Amino acid sequence: AQSVTQLGSHVSVSEGALVLLRCNYSSSVPPYLFWYVQYPNQGLQLLLKYTTGATLVKGINGFEAEFKKSETSFHLTKPSAHMSDAAEYFCAVSDRVTGGGNKLTFGTGTQLKVEL
Amino acid sequence: DAGVIQSPRHEVTEMGQEVTLRCKPISGHDYLFWYRQTMMRGLELLIYFNNNVPIDDSGMPEDRFSAKMPNASFSTLKIQPSEPRDSAVYFCASSFTEGAREKLFFGSGTQLSVL
Repeated sequence: AQSVTQLGSHVSVSEGALVLLRCNYSSSVPPYLFWYVQYPNQGLQLLLKYTTGATLVKGINGFEAEFKKSETSFHLTKPSAHMSDAAEYFCAVSDRVTGGGNKLTFGTGTQLKVEL
Repeated sequence: DAGVIQSPRHEVTEMGQEVTLRCKPISGHDYLFWYRQTMMRGLELLIYFNNNVPIDDSGMPEDRFSAKMPNASFSTLKIQPSEPRDSAVYFCASSFTEGAREKLFFGSGTQLSVL
């Protein structure tokens, strides 16, 4: 069974500072990995995903994540935080069942706060 | 497209009552998922459908929970009888096989409070 662990349920950064949200995964097979963002009172939206190929993945809103197999990590970064980045971020892993639906297992989320 | 539409946005009910949550997926999507979000357990997959057929309901917590998808444009999640521990935000999401099926499109959720 797959799982993801997000380190830090709350992260606070200053506007303009680096954003680093941590995610480690556990999977018995090569995983598909995702980051989703949830703004207040909304559903989740896909930020970026890793399936195969390049291990550095770029997503929307200037975010990127790097798949590191040796560290079983998929940390999310953004060079310069903006106030509009304040939201909850979820890391997720897929079981990649051939022919099946995409059954995502989500982490518990990290609330990002951006301060002036 | 209007996106995934869920109703109601908020539901307040008393313990023991039946609750029905509704979802309209994005037209053309062939997968539909029901998730539950709580502070304690985060996001949990309850059940998902492919082409209106339930594929995996292993996440449904108890027999009090049931879900149906009578056609490609409508699904319901029913709780009968409801209990206070069912209080959570319930999300519906859809995706399609021919595109990036890992890309789930979520509705805005139903905030359920069982008193």
